[in-house]
Amino acid sequence: AQSVTQLGSHVSVSEGALVLLRCNYSSSVPPYLFWYVQYPNQGLQLLLKYTSAATLVKGINGFEAEFKKSETSFHLTKPSAHMSDAAEYFCAVRNSGNTPLVFGKGTRLSVIA
Amino acid sequence: GAVVSQHPSWVICKSGTSVKIECRSLDFQATTMFWYRQFPKQSLMLMATSNEGSKATYEQGVEKDKFLINHASLTLSTLTVTSAHPEDSSFYICSASGDRVSYEQYFGPGTRLTVT
Repeated sequence: AQSVTQLGSHVSVSEGALVLLRCNYSSSVPPYLFWYVQYPNQGLQLLLKYTSAATLVKGINGFEAEFKKSETSFHLTKPSAHMSDAAEYFCAVRNSGNTPLVFGKGTRLSVIA
Repeated sequence: GAVVSQHPSWVICKSGTSVKIECRSLDFQATTMFWYRQFPKQSLMLMATSNEGSKATYEQGVEKDKFLINHASLTLSTLTVTSAHPEDSSFYICSASGDRVSYEQYFGPGTRLTVT
């Protein structure tokens, strides 16, 4: 069975500082991995996805993530946080086919001016 | 492309009534649709998976007689919350995958249900 663990339910960074949101996955087959962002009272927005191509994936809004099979990790980073990055971030895993996405518990990112 | 819509975006209903939420894939054929619910400050929990023309598969702990899911066409799935109670108040989000690349799931904007 697939699962995702997001370390840290809440991360707080200063504006301009590095953002690092951690995600570890468990999957019996090579996974597809995703990061989503959710702003208050809104749906999910896809930030980036790993689909077994390049291990370093670049997404929208300056975010990127690196797939590390040996560490079963897919951490999300952004070099310089912006106030508008404050939101809830979800890591998710999916096998191929029509299996559903399995989400982590989410990490709330706060950005301090 | 790959747009999924939900209607209504928010709904308030009285306890004991039923509410139907629609999920539509606007520009692709959704062979599989998923329904999630999200409580405040929590993650998305999968409720059920439905394939077009087949009965939905419900996750453990989800009452299939209370949350009726119909996936009658390749572009429409509906979730009906029957005899709603205040504890059913939640954010319901659908997603769809289909004739595009198989690993993608496209999400609707969600429906906020409040039961008074």
